[in-house]
Amino acid sequence: SQQGEEDPQALSIQEGENATMNCSYKTSINNLQWYRQNSGRGLVHLILIRSNEREKHSGRLRVTLDTSKKSSSLLITASRAADTASYFCATDRDNYGQNFVFGPGTRLSVLP
Amino acid sequence: DTGVSQNPRHKITKRGQNVTFRCDPISEHNRLYWYRQTLGQGPEFLTYFQNEAQLEKSRLLSDRFSAERPKGSFSTLEIQRTEQGDSAMYLCASSSFDSNTGELFFGEGSRLTVL
Repeated sequence: SQQGEEDPQALSIQEGENATMNCSYKTSINNLQWYRQNSGRGLVHLILIRSNEREKHSGRLRVTLDTSKKSSSLLITASRAADTASYFCATDRDNYGQNFVFGPGTRLSVLP
Repeated sequence: DTGVSQNPRHKITKRGQNVTFRCDPISEHNRLYWYRQTLGQGPEFLTYFQNEAQLEKSRLLSDRFSAERPKGSFSTLEIQRTEQGDSAMYLCASSSFDSNTGELFFGEGSRLTVL
């Protein structure tokens, strides 16, 4: 069963706008990761946030984690057409934080 | 070593045939994972190895599916007596258990079409 659920399922924005995707999960975690997947390709790791962290930045990406609400958000600022992809959150499912369950993803379309 | 390699990238087969996919992980990675992904869905966990030991296998994995990692390096995923419902992208990923991040490095996937 899937631990994480992304919201919205699909998002369409104009280039230059910010995109926010949310992930909710059910059980306690050690860490949460976000991945990106271009159509027909493998997944690429974007960022990891640990359960004792509340916010993390990487370039145009900002991830927040609220363990009390069991939720995370991914913000992409100043979006570009090249950001068009599916975005997945992955939560760990073992005590070592090394095996992950993926949500169904958010399909982001950035229009030029 | 440029990353995780999967072969073949595409496989079309008739129902009832057996297929085998191969994954070559990043050489220093001791963990290897297989996921299955259908259109519009996230990757679904199938199984994973630490070195040559298969540590966990999804209950969703029927007995027609078998995975091996005989020398703790490359892995194969075999599907016997394929069914149309097996049509999916099969993704392999590797990671280092010693890593602080637990980041998974994915291959490009092997797309299976069962006619």
